[in-house]
Amino acid sequence: VQLVESGGGLVQPGKSLKLSCSASGFTFSSYGMHWIRQAPGKGLDWVAYISSSSGTVYADAVKGRFTISRDNAKNTLYLQLNSLKSEDTAIYYCARGYNWGQGVMVTVSS
Amino acid sequence: DIQMTQSPPSLSASLGDKVTITCQASQNINKYIAWYQQKPGKAPRLLIRYTSTLESGTPSRFSGSGSGRDYSFSISNVESEDIASYYCLQYDNLLTFGSGTKLEIK
Repeated sequence: VQLVESGGGLVQPGKSLKLSCSASGFTFSSYGMHWIRQAPGKGLDWVAYISSSSGTVYADAVKGRFTISRDNAKNTLYLQLNSLKSEDTAIYYCARGYNWGQGVMVTVSS
Repeated sequence: DIQMTQSPPSLSASLGDKVTITCQASQNINKYIAWYQQKPGKAPRLLIRYTSTLESGTPSRFSGSGSGRDYSFSISNVESEDIASYYCLQYDNLLTFGSGTKLEIK
């Protein structure tokens, strides 16, 4: 299982960003996938889940602002981050259960 | 939603000690718990999955046990390289993390 995130960076409050996660080493279309995050100096938080059939579930903190999606043809998971807040600053990891990528940093600051 | 209560929040041990961290789930998680080690500035490293299965490369001084709602993680013969924070993760229903345990050496 290999998961490689991309798309992070510095963004102003209220703006948007889209993260990608390229998956390999397994049949991507058969698995539900998650995004999790870790704010600087804080613990780990689950953010969103998408099932193999594209059903979605979100943490309350991001509901209505973030959208998880997948492209099985490209073996890629996405997280669209809208209306970003300073408290969204974190390292974002894509995960298949207990297997994660190395993460990508998102910094929300003016 | 499943909640995970991890304790203690911090732990101070001498080299060679055995330490134990516990996680209690708000409901049965069917042994679907993993344990991670995180050192400053690094991504968490998976040590144990499915309660007690050591990942490749995990030293045998690390172990896990439990069932139902109650799980534990132990390090026997603590070494200086074990200084880190440790997190549990339930993956039975979505994902829920414990709040972490910071291990320090006396």
